Amino acid sequence: NAGVTQTPKFRILKIGQSMTLQCTQDMNHNYMYWYRQDPGMGLKLIYYSVGAGITDKGEVPNGYNVSRSTTEDFPLRLELAAPSQTSVYFCASSGTVEAFFGQGTRLTVV
Amino acid sequence: EDQVTQSPEALRLQEGESSSLNCSYTVSGLRGLFWYRQDPGKGPEFLFTLYSAGEEKEKERLKATLTKKESFLHITAPKPEDSATYLCAVRGFGSNTGKLIFGQGTTLQVKP
Repeated sequence: NAGVTQTPKFRILKIGQSMTLQCTQDMNHNYMYWYRQDPGMGLKLIYYSVGAGITDKGEVPNGYNVSRSTTEDFPLRLELAAPSQTSVYFCASSGTVEAFFGQGTRLTVV
Repeated sequence: EDQVTQSPEALRLQEGESSSLNCSYTVSGLRGLFWYRQDPGKGPEFLFTLYSAGEEKEKERLKATLTKKESFLHITAPKPEDSATYLCAVRGFGSNTGKLIFGQGTTLQVKP
């Protein structure tokens, strides 16, 4: 099983550019999450989804958008990149118990 | 609102020196409390789930315990390979049942 797959692993964006971070899971999990992690800090919840077609804001949603058209995919969209969005982004999925994480996307906005 | 606070932020131990990490939480009905380990440059790796006060789980040198307000991760006779960041997270019931909220983590360094 691949588990949770994130692409790309690294990306450099210029201020004002847009991009989509991809996340796919093959465990048929209902719950999916996007987090950001700044250096030396814990995980901050950006958006989450409890199933296809249902999404909700987390702790730090401003500047991001999500969609969940299928059970497997949960892309995260940055519309106008800002330096404050420089971070490591993690996607996760869970069934009824623990969440499983991808390996992260390291994003730098310059 | 669900909240998780971990202490200390950083902990340095000598190999073999046992200690505990703390996770204080506020949640409207605990659905589960989770402990994760994170190595530099990697995603968090699941360690334990605890569901109710009084519950304990063990894995090698790690033991997690739970009360109504806190969880502790006890590390017995740690080794250098236990060095990592340990993260605590909670999921509650009700309207926020999908949310999984993390604390800021405790970075553990074990010196040989």
